Amino acid sequence: EAQVTQNPRYLITVTGKKLTVTCSQNMNHEYMSWYRQDPGLGLRQIYYSMNVEVTDKGDVPEGYKVSRKEKRNFPLILESPSPNQTSLYFCASSPRQDLQETQYFGPGTRLLVL
Amino acid sequence: GQQVMQIPQYQHVQEGEDFTTYCNSSTTLSNIQWYKQRPGGHPVFLIQLVKSGEVKKQKRLTFQFGEAKKNSSLHITATQTTDVGTYFCAGPDSNYQLIWGAGTKLIIKP
Repeated sequence: EAQVTQNPRYLITVTGKKLTVTCSQNMNHEYMSWYRQDPGLGLRQIYYSMNVEVTDKGDVPEGYKVSRKEKRNFPLILESPSPNQTSLYFCASSPRQDLQETQYFGPGTRLLVL
Repeated sequence: GQQVMQIPQYQHVQEGEDFTTYCNSSTTLSNIQWYKQRPGGHPVFLIQLVKSGEVKKQKRLTFQFGEAKKNSSLHITATQTTDVGTYFCAGPDSNYQLIWGAGTKLIIKP
């Protein structure tokens, strides 16, 4: 089944404790991205990647890192999480770099930073 | 930078009434995409509009793309409880980012 998977789905952590949220897609998509969703603010892009070893900052990259060593995986790393990073995170992928086709979303990761 | 404004933020309707959400981009879009997010779920693609003035229908949903390719609308006729959720529009910018509207939450009054 074609899908985007994220793990974990729920995470409670404490300020400063490094964490990684994994994202994997099995559709051989070129483009992958990370979003955070906060009430009233819609979806804001954190980072995106147009291909392996190519990553770019989105609108809200501060406090986050990503890597794209393989086409299928695009992990999101929070080196030192802070409470303002409490949010709902979505990974997404798209077949084309120019976004002329739809994005497919993962199920989301709900993060609480205490 | 490019912005996509979406209104209204919320719309409360009685079941059976119509619903409309509007998107307005600060720049011309190559395409506009619409997504629906059910409560507790993730955004799911509904449709993509590409041509100026394009109108597409999916059962009770009608999508329009403006002549100038800067605005778009989604209209739902005779809403049902299954329509509940937040509807987002999004369009790609010149930097290969998808710029999202803030979403319109459709709430069905009991």
